[in-house]
Amino acid sequence: QVQLQESGPGLVRPSETLSLTCTVSNGSISTHFWSWIRQPPGMGLEWIGHIYYTGSTNHSPSLKGRVTISVDTSKNQFSLKLNSVTAADTAVYYCARNRRGGGALDYWGQGTPVTVPS
Amino acid sequence: QSVLTQPPSASGTPGQRVTISCSGSSSNIGINDVYWYKQLPGAAPKLLLFTNDQRPSGVPDRFSGPKSGTSASLAISGLRSEDEADYYCAAWDDTLTIMLFGGGTKLTVL
Repeated sequence: QVQLQESGPGLVRPSETLSLTCTVSNGSISTHFWSWIRQPPGMGLEWIGHIYYTGSTNHSPSLKGRVTISVDTSKNQFSLKLNSVTAADTAVYYCARNRRGGGALDYWGQGTPVTVPS
Repeated sequence: QSVLTQPPSASGTPGQRVTISCSGSSSNIGINDVYWYKQLPGAAPKLLLFTNDQRPSGVPDRFSGPKSGTSASLAISGLRSEDEADYYCAAWDDTLTIMLFGGGTKLTVL
């Protein structure tokens, strides 16, 4: 079955850029939408955005233009960049696959914790 | 504060039927599919229900997700100890153009 794995630094300094990659295994990235979601410690889930393999993206306006989501079909990967981070960006970051025909997220990565010290 | 409103907690005893509500608006639940996720401590969320009350393979039919107007519910029948988890509803919002998640409900099996 499809597997997703997030990778990237676990510590990012304030004002710098958080960069994460999600590697998709046992399935082609060129068939679905792919999403990023985050969860601050002890809190609920927050949708960051999604991307189609063509490069078409949509992301949450609440992140005020700090987000870039990209895809590399040759590597079966998609990536998240969040710039000008603050302590409020501390969270577990998940990548996930959108089920065809809708927004349901049917496969998730295990999540990667990212800390931005205050 | 989430635009989809869930109760912070719910509880039940083994064998009972429990429902968790999710209240939204005409721009999200009122016109779009509602999804339900289950999250165990320290784990990634898992999809429980999607379009028209469908369940991914492996999810028992004890779980159902009725929707009425701008509200939805997750119903769990025959409650079991392994159902103790956090549950989240989600729906696309056509006005905000984002995927919204509810604040989550912590279900305790007494």
